Amino acid sequence: EAGVTQFPSHSVIEKGQTVTLRCDPISGHDNLYWYRRVMGKEIKFLLHFVKESKQDESGMPNNRFLAERTGGTYSTLKVQPAELEDSGVYFCASSSDRAEQYFGPGTRLTVT
Amino acid sequence: AQKVTQAQTEISVVEKEDVTLDCVYETRDTTYYLFWYKQPPSGELVFLIRRNSFDEQNEISGRYSWNFQKSTSSFNFTITASQVVDSAVYFCALSEAGNTDKLIFGTGTRLQVFP
Repeated sequence: EAGVTQFPSHSVIEKGQTVTLRCDPISGHDNLYWYRRVMGKEIKFLLHFVKESKQDESGMPNNRFLAERTGGTYSTLKVQPAELEDSGVYFCASSSDRAEQYFGPGTRLTVT
Repeated sequence: AQKVTQAQTEISVVEKEDVTLDCVYETRDTTYYLFWYKQPPSGELVFLIRRNSFDEQNEISGRYSWNFQKSTSSFNFTITASQVVDSAVYFCALSEAGNTDKLIFGTGTRLQVFP
């Protein structure tokens, strides 16, 4: 069974540009989560999808971040326009029925 | 407020030593879950264990063991006879039952095991 996959693995963009991160959860997992780790700090929750619905988006930092999960399968997280403080590692996780969350390898975003 | 504290930023040991990673949590909920994840150099977070707040029994899985003590709000992780492959960053996390399952992470402990 394939695990959670994320694309790209690394992205370097300039301040003001747009970046879209993609997450493919484990097949059949209704729950999908986005987290991020800013350099040297803890991993922080961004939002939670149940199928295509946003269950909790309390962790989204501001309206420059937009997450979608059309059709309840893969999800995208768009940052527009990117700022320097958005640099970090963005993790996606999926789970079934409120069980343990399985994480992807993360996307390392560098904003210069 | 919910919080997870991993006071040890980095630990270095020599192979075959035992090592304990500390985790202290704060929550007002009576029902919650505690987790440990391992992040090897490849970057992904690997699930190790989940415990619920009603189960204080210690758990052992091979060289890994976990000590959950509600009285001190701690969920410590011990690796017995450490190996070089144990080198990684280890994260402790908390989720509250009524809170959409979001994980609240500690800042992680980097473990380096030298041969």
